[in-house]
Order: sequence, then C-alpha cells, then structure tokens
Amino acid sequence: DGGITQSPKYLFRKEGQNVTLSCEQNLNHDAMYWYRQDPGQGLRLIYYSQIVNDFQKGDIAEGYSVSREKKESFPLTVTSAQKNPTAFYLCASSGRMKGDQPQHFGDGTRLSIL
Amino acid sequence: SQKIEQNSEALNIQEGKTATLTCNYTNYSPAYLQWYRQDPGRGPVFLLLIRENEKEKRKERLKVTFDTTLKQSLFHITASQPADSATYLCALDRSSNTGKLIFGQGTTLQVKP
Repeated sequence: DGGITQSPKYLFRKEGQNVTLSCEQNLNHDAMYWYRQDPGQGLRLIYYSQIVNDFQKGDIAEGYSVSREKKESFPLTVTSAQKNPTAFYLCASSGRMKGDQPQHFGDGTRLSIL
Repeated sequence: SQKIEQNSEALNIQEGKTATLTCNYTNYSPAYLQWYRQDPGRGPVFLLLIRENEKEKRKERLKVTFDTTLKQSLFHITASQPADSATYLCALDRSSNTGKLIFGQGTTLQVKP
C-alpha cells in the first residue's frame, strides 16, 4: 500500500541533544511538508519541499532543519536551539504543492523532553 | 490579522442526527478549502476539497458548503454514526494556490449511540 511512514512513533530528547525524525513516502509525490501540532492549536508549518534538493522555511522554522536528498525522504532534525520541542510532529506529502492538492499524512512522531 | 477558526467546544450529538461543523476565516481569499478527519494519535486524513466557485460538494454522507461572502465553510455529516467520532480540521490555501495550507484547530465530534 502507498503511504507515508514516520518513525519513531515516540521519541525522547535530552537537554542539548539533536534528534532526527524520519519521514518516507512511496506515493511518488513531489511536495513534502513538516507540521507541528500542539494541544488546542492547528497544525503549524515548519518546513516544506516542492522538489528534491529544494526546501523552504515555513512559519516556525527556528530550531529545526531538514534535507531532501531523495524524492521519497524528508527527515526533520530538532536541534538543541528549539527550546520547546515537546509536540506531535506530522509529515505530509502531495503530488504538487498547490491548493487543490490533498495532503497525505503519516501517523506522527510524539517528541518529549527527558 | 489573518485567522481561521473552528468551534473549539466539542460537539455531542445522537446517532442518526446530522452533525454540522463550522469553519470561519478572516483576511484570506482562498481559492480552495479542505476538510480532514483526525483520530487520536493519528495523522489527519483528507475528506473533501471545495473550490471558491463551488457552493456545495458532496461525498456519500458528507456535505461541504463554501460561502466566500460570509467567509465560512460548513461541514455536514448526515445519519451520523459512533464511528464518525473524531476531530475534524478545516484547512485553506492561504493565497494564490500556493499549496501552503493554514489549518484550523479542529472541532471534536462525539456521536453517542
């Protein structure tokens, strides 16, 4: 079945540590996205990529970094500069980055601070 | 300022009734509006997309309306079932078909048998 796989499902970060969240898709989609979801808030866009080897900052990129070396993969690194990293992180993809394109989501990674 | 708002209070209805969820926005002129369903601990799942020149869109028991004058979308589930219990998110394309969606905070629907 085609879809998006995020791993791990749960992740714990120590102070001063960088952690990387994995996102893989086999939908052959060009566009990929990372969102952060906090209780009672809408999804907030962290980074997005319209095509391989290209990515752009979203609304809350500070303290995060990404890469897009392969079409199917879009890992997110939460750096020690992100002071409030505890959240539910969602990766998504769409065929193209257009408003008429549905986004397909993975089942998220929940990050907590030790 | 730009805002998208959904009713933050949970909606509780009886099985078989019609559920109506509201999505209001200000200072946007979206060409498209999307609705998603999210179950606890899972990612959102796309349900329906409606264009600015469409008044209404239907899919099985689901109906979405889009009033660009009122800046509002309504999402209806007819003949609701306990399995429809979830959080429903609206999302709009913030400008010019960029594909950069802005999401509402979601409304939780609870359908009681």
